[in-house]
Formats: sequence, C-alpha cells, structure tokens
Amino acid sequence: GAGVSQSPSNKVTEKGKDVELRCDPISGHTALYWYRQSLGQGLEFLIYFQGNSAPDKSGLPSDRFSAERTGGSVSTLTIQRTQQEDSAVYLCASTPGIRYEQYFGPGTRLTVT
Amino acid sequence: GIQVEQSPPDLILQEGANSTLRCNFSDSVNNLQWFHQNPWGQLINLFYIPSGTKQNGRLSATTVATERYSLLYISSSQTTDSGVYFCAVEPGTYKYIFGTGTRLKVLA
Repeated sequence: GAGVSQSPSNKVTEKGKDVELRCDPISGHTALYWYRQSLGQGLEFLIYFQGNSAPDKSGLPSDRFSAERTGGSVSTLTIQRTQQEDSAVYLCASTPGIRYEQYFGPGTRLTVT
Repeated sequence: GIQVEQSPPDLILQEGANSTLRCNFSDSVNNLQWFHQNPWGQLINLFYIPSGTKQNGRLSATTVATERYSLLYISSSQTTDSGVYFCAVEPGTYKYIFGTGTRLKVLA
C-alpha cells in the first residue's frame, strides 16, 4: 500500500514569509508525528497527534510553529514569519497507534533565504 | 530528560566486514526502534525492538532494556548499507527521542 507522503518535497522561501507543509499518513494510522532534522543532525521531535486526543505540542520551538490534523488524517505544519534558523528537513511519521513502529515520509526540505 | 547516545559516531568498513553499533539510553523505555537513513535522506525501519533479539537477513538487533542498551549487528556489509543509523527510544511519553546517529561508510 501507499506509504507516508509529504509535500512539497522542496520549499524555498524568503525570511518573514509563512509556509505550510503537508503530510498524508498511511491510511488507517491513528498517530502522526512531525520532526525536524537540521543539516547533519539527528531528529528533533516537534508535535504528536493521536486520534482525537489533544496533540502533544511540547516540541514546538516557538509560537511561530503550529500544526493541525483534519479528520484524523492529513496534517499541516505551519511556520509563520520564517527565520533562517528554520531551514531544515521536516519529516512526518505515522503509526497504527501508540507504541507501534513509525513509518516515515520522504520529508520536506525547507530553505529560508 | 532521557539521553540517547550512539557509538561509534563514524565507521568506515571494507565491503564484507562485520560491525556492531551501540545505543545507550539513560532511563527506562517502553519502545525502541532502529532506522537507516539512506544517502537520499529516507528513513527506513530496520527493527522495532523494545526487548529481546530479532534478525532480518544480514542485520540483527538485541535490546537489553534492564541494562539500557541496544545493539545493531551488520554482517557481510555491502556498499548499500552506507548511510546513518539511528536508534530512537520512547520513554513512556509517546514521544520518540532520537540518538545522534552512527555514520557508516562501506567501501567497495
């Protein structure tokens, strides 16, 4: 079946602009994660959705970052007033539920100029 | 919070060699996964292994949760094994914490 998809694959934006990144999880997966990976670094947890529960936003680095998940499926990560330090690869993962293995999408490479 | 350390940070092997990668974590965990990030950036699941031993072809993994470590064994390495290997642990918060990775290069 189809894996996790993300769009766009690459995004170049000017400092100060807003961007939206999209994640389509595997059908039927109830949990969805967003991570950020800066160049040559490990993955940094951003936010976690599980079913209809309130999301765990504890990893969001600032109030410029927000995310939503509509209908328990597609998720959008929004970064407002982008800064150069926001440049990174943003990765999405989904799982069939809590405490199952994660499946990752290909990521969105964000470059802020 | 929990600390996750991987060793070695970098590893260069000749094709056909064997290797062991280690992941140490500082607190008890409910879950642990090993991933391979290929040179194109895609993260590929290798093992979901909160405890015990699993094998998949040339790869195997062992997690000793009571001693807070996990090992990934790669036998008869191939150039396609090159990339970064990450372990990720879930310490009971439903959030995964990733280690800093082991960068592997296999030479033909």
